[in-house]
Amino acid sequence: AQRVTQPEKLLSVFKGAPVELKCNYSYSGSPELFWYVQYSRQRLQLLLRHISRESIKGFTADLNKGETSFHLKKPFAQEEDSAMYYCALTDRGSTLGRLYFGRGTQLTVWP
Amino acid sequence: DAGVIQSPRHEVTEMGQEVTLRCKPISGHDYLFWYRQTMMRGLELLIYFNNNVPIDDSGMPEDRFSAKMPNASFSTLKIQPSEPRDSAVYFCASSSRRYDEQFFGPGTRLTVL
Repeated sequence: AQRVTQPEKLLSVFKGAPVELKCNYSYSGSPELFWYVQYSRQRLQLLLRHISRESIKGFTADLNKGETSFHLKKPFAQEEDSAMYYCALTDRGSTLGRLYFGRGTQLTVWP
Repeated sequence: DAGVIQSPRHEVTEMGQEVTLRCKPISGHDYLFWYRQTMMRGLELLIYFNNNVPIDDSGMPEDRFSAKMPNASFSTLKIQPSEPRDSAVYFCASSSRRYDEQFFGPGTRLTVL
């Protein structure tokens, strides 16, 4: 069974501090990992995906298959990063196209 | 493009009433997804369609929930009868390819009294 775990429901940091949102997955197959973000009063939207290997808004995430993790990191958090973050997984080896979401982490960046 | 459109944005109803949520996906997207978001359970997939055909409805809570997609530009999620525990934000999303980015609508906040 596919499972995505985000161990922290709430995470608070001060502006300028490093931030890491944890995501672990348990899956045997060809997983593709994503981070989605929901800012206040905005739609849920894609932040980044592991196959792109790019940095978006200063965030990066590396897929660690050995540790089955896909943690989201930013060296210097900004107040505008405050949002709900969801880690998600899909399986390219499956005929289905669904995403499996973690329960989300609410990030608050204090001034 | 207005993106995924959902209506209504807010719905308040009484227990036992029928509720119908509506979704218009992005034109050209072949996949449509219905999600429910609650504080306790986060974001849960209820059902999704590919080319108007339901593919996976294993997340539909019970028989009170039903979803249809009569054509490529419209889908409904119906709850009959509604219960207070159905109170949540319901999202619709669409994507153009099987493993591609999903584009979400603004959501419908449902409150069942």
